[in-house]
Amino acid sequence: DVKVTQSSRYLVKRTGEKVFLECVQDMDHENMFWYRQDPGLGLRLIYFSYDVKMKEKGDIPEGYSVSREKKERFSLILESASTNQTSMYLCASRTSGARTDTQYFGPGTRLTVL
Amino acid sequence: AQKVTQAQTEISVVEKEDVTLDCVYETRDTTYYLFWYKQPPSGELVFLIRRNSFDEQNEISGRYSWNFQKSTSSFNFTITASQVVDSAVYFCAHPPKGGSEKLVFGKGTKLTVNP
Repeated sequence: DVKVTQSSRYLVKRTGEKVFLECVQDMDHENMFWYRQDPGLGLRLIYFSYDVKMKEKGDIPEGYSVSREKKERFSLILESASTNQTSMYLCASRTSGARTDTQYFGPGTRLTVL
Repeated sequence: AQKVTQAQTEISVVEKEDVTLDCVYETRDTTYYLFWYKQPPSGELVFLIRRNSFDEQNEISGRYSWNFQKSTSSFNFTITASQVVDSAVYFCAHPPKGGSEKLVFGKGTKLTVNP
């Protein structure tokens, strides 16, 4: 079974704090993704990584950065958290570079920025 | 635009009823894939099925079945004899070419199965 884990299920931070969201997959997948999910807006891609140290911006990268130093781990960083970054964050991994392959998702991190 | 439409925002049924969730897609791709995911209250998106446009055969897996019709650009999902544990938000999704590798999701259908 594919296993994607995220470091926290719930997180509360203050405006201006630096926030790290961690994602780990145990299936040696090449590609990893960060999405955010908001009511009425659905899921939107923040960043995508197709290999170690390689990344591409998604639809809404502003205010976020990412890090992929090891194949199994993909981190999302909020350099200075703002209230409009309160959201559900979902990490996913995919077997290969084929966009038609299945993406497997983690349990999500519900982040609240006060 | 390449998009996925799930017109049903919320559906409520009583246990053991059959329920069909609709998904209509728009794509410029000549060959393409479609997905269904389930998101229970716990929040995790659970992969249910992946289908390609070459194969329009209906698929059945236990109480779940999928009806893929290219003529109407639909990929509908039916749960037979629904159970309370089926209560979740269900998403249809499509990975378009030139879409920066993302999955394009529909807005989801919230299904509530009442005992």
